[in-house]
Amino acid sequence: IQLTQSPSLLSASVGDRVTLSCKGSQNINNYLAWYQQKLGEAPKLLIYNTNSLQTGIPSRFSGSGSGTDYTLTISSLQPEDVATYFCYQYNNGLTFGSGTKLEIK
Amino acid sequence: EVQLVESGGGLVQPGRSLKLSCAASGFTFSDYNMAWVRQAPKKGLEWVATISYDGSSTYYRDSVKGRFTISRDNAKSTLYLQMDSLRSEDTATYYCARHPAHYYYSDYWGQGVMVTVSS
Repeated sequence: IQLTQSPSLLSASVGDRVTLSCKGSQNINNYLAWYQQKLGEAPKLLIYNTNSLQTGIPSRFSGSGSGTDYTLTISSLQPEDVATYFCYQYNNGLTFGSGTKLEIK
Repeated sequence: EVQLVESGGGLVQPGRSLKLSCAASGFTFSDYNMAWVRQAPKKGLEWVATISYDGSSTYYRDSVKGRFTISRDNAKSTLYLQMDSLRSEDTATYYCARHPAHYYYSDYWGQGVMVTVSS
């Protein structure tokens, strides 16, 4: 399964509601996770099984979707959210999307 | 606290071998499937291999099949990746990661170790 993330680069203001998209080439059956990777750091799990929040992750992060289309939403963007975000499917093989780089405007 | 610490990276010539290790602590290592994930410089993430909790099953991406071997020593709580016939395209930071029970996403990651394949 191929994953296409959009946009590749997103610039938003502190406090904005931000939506990142991930689209699969086939049905992912909700086996979709989201990772945050800050510069020079290892990826960190944010969301698994489409909408389950990993322990310790702020509630401003949420996930949704079904079939081939999935979304990561940050309800109120914070400066510490500057990072690249990757989606990852584990329904058929194991593949990552190419990432969305999130910047502060 | 779950900790995964990789070691064994470095500069290696094309065609040569390298073995990575990942020391695990803070959880019962023998209960979890484990994986290696890599990231080429300035590029995205790429799953490399997964091994079952008891070592009986292994899975690889096509580009490393026959060249890389994932293994584990549950008595030492250590994961390994033996990399043979290395190519320039294997240059990347390699991360050790834990799969939670029943699923194949990764919930904890090591800090990564750099492997550079160059003459």
